[in-house]
Amino acid sequence: QQQVKQSPQSLIVQKGGISIINCAYENTAFDYFPWYQQFPGKGPALLIAIRPDVSEKKEGRFTISFNKSAKQFSLHIMDSQPGDSATYFCAAHSGNTPLVFGKGTRLSVIA
Amino acid sequence: SAVISQKPSRDICQRGTSLTIQCQVDSQVTMMFWYRQQPGQSLTLIATANQGSEATYESGFVIDKFPISRPNLTFSTLTVSNMSPEDSSIYLCSALLAGGPKQYFGPGTRLTVT
Repeated sequence: QQQVKQSPQSLIVQKGGISIINCAYENTAFDYFPWYQQFPGKGPALLIAIRPDVSEKKEGRFTISFNKSAKQFSLHIMDSQPGDSATYFCAAHSGNTPLVFGKGTRLSVIA
Repeated sequence: SAVISQKPSRDICQRGTSLTIQCQVDSQVTMMFWYRQQPGQSLTLIATANQGSEATYESGFVIDKFPISRPNLTFSTLTVSNMSPEDSSIYLCSALLAGGPKQYFGPGTRLTVT
């Protein structure tokens, strides 16, 4: 069964620190790995995504690291800010198939 | 990117009634999906809305309970039929843009069944 396992379930980080969220997948057919950010009462927003042909992608303070051999990928939020406090979901899919989501990580950035 | 709108944004409904949720996308899309999200939980796929044909439902979801229409490429509706309190949830529309692979979500419809 297609699964994406996400950890930790919750994370508390000091302002200015680095937030790291990890995901692992099983299906080697997956070829697209997005991360979504969701604030309370809002729909998930596409944050950053990566293809398996690169090992890292950076957009501002957000970086995805991808390890194809280990079938793992992670989101790093540098210089975390209170405004980054949200729930983050990793996901994966291939072609036009629906996204398979991780269970989510609730991030709290405290001053 | 794409802007996806949903109507209504929230509703409180009585047990046994039905609610239809509308989803409109402002860009060309290939696929549209409907998800359900319980508070504090991840997203669960209900079905893929197929243009001009019956939706493809995931295990545990049936057409009689969640009829879906997609009359054109950018519009879809989800009906929650014969509602019970267990149907209280957030329902999210999503679209995969033409040319792929980015998938975007609407703001959600918060449904409460009393």
